[in-house]
Amino acid sequence: QKEVEQNSGPLSVPEGAIASLNCTYSDRGSQSFFWYRQYSGKSPELIMFIYSNGDKEDGRFTAQLNKASQYVSLLIRDSQPSDSATYLCARGNYQLIWGAGTKLIIKP
Amino acid sequence: NAGVMQNPRHLVRRRGQEARLRCSPMKGHSHVYWYRQLPEEGLKFMVYLQKENIIDESGMPKERFSAEFPKEGPSILRIQQVVRGDSAAYFCASSPMGPQDGYTFGSGTRLTVV
Repeated sequence: QKEVEQNSGPLSVPEGAIASLNCTYSDRGSQSFFWYRQYSGKSPELIMFIYSNGDKEDGRFTAQLNKASQYVSLLIRDSQPSDSATYLCARGNYQLIWGAGTKLIIKP
Repeated sequence: NAGVMQNPRHLVRRRGQEARLRCSPMKGHSHVYWYRQLPEEGLKFMVYLQKENIIDESGMPKERFSAEFPKEGPSILRIQQVVRGDSAAYFCASSPMGPQDGYTFGSGTRLTVV
């Protein structure tokens, strides 16, 4: 069983809509969760991290963590074509365990 | 304030040669992490280092791979006697203290073994 699972996609969302990306994990002891964005051929860049149950908002991005259900999600409001990328979910401390990523396509 | 600097960006090696990948962390960052990403796959942890110390190398293959982060200079990931399966993107990341606030990644080194 993979420790961090993501739907590989692609997930296609019209411009201006809300994109919802989900991630499940198997380690109940996990404390820290991260969302990274990776454009093709580029390195991952940190979008948000979350430790506590509930929502955390930063601009157009909202991370949601539900430890009881072992999932973490990322919502992108007012999606833009520039949001088209692969979104990576990771959990852990120094040894981050990564999902394989969800490819998001925002259609103009 | 320069980010995490990796060089070279692209490296081509013949089978059996050695590959040396360099990583200079962000200024003020003393924690370095190396990851490998195979095409169409996720990132795989390799090693976590602080200055002069290997904290966790549980993701490193037992043979041919080594890493160091000396007191002076960049962190080095060394792959001896490369094989085709070593072809991948190797990313270095750094953080100021632990990784609890997330890493900053370098641009990566794309290793191609021919």
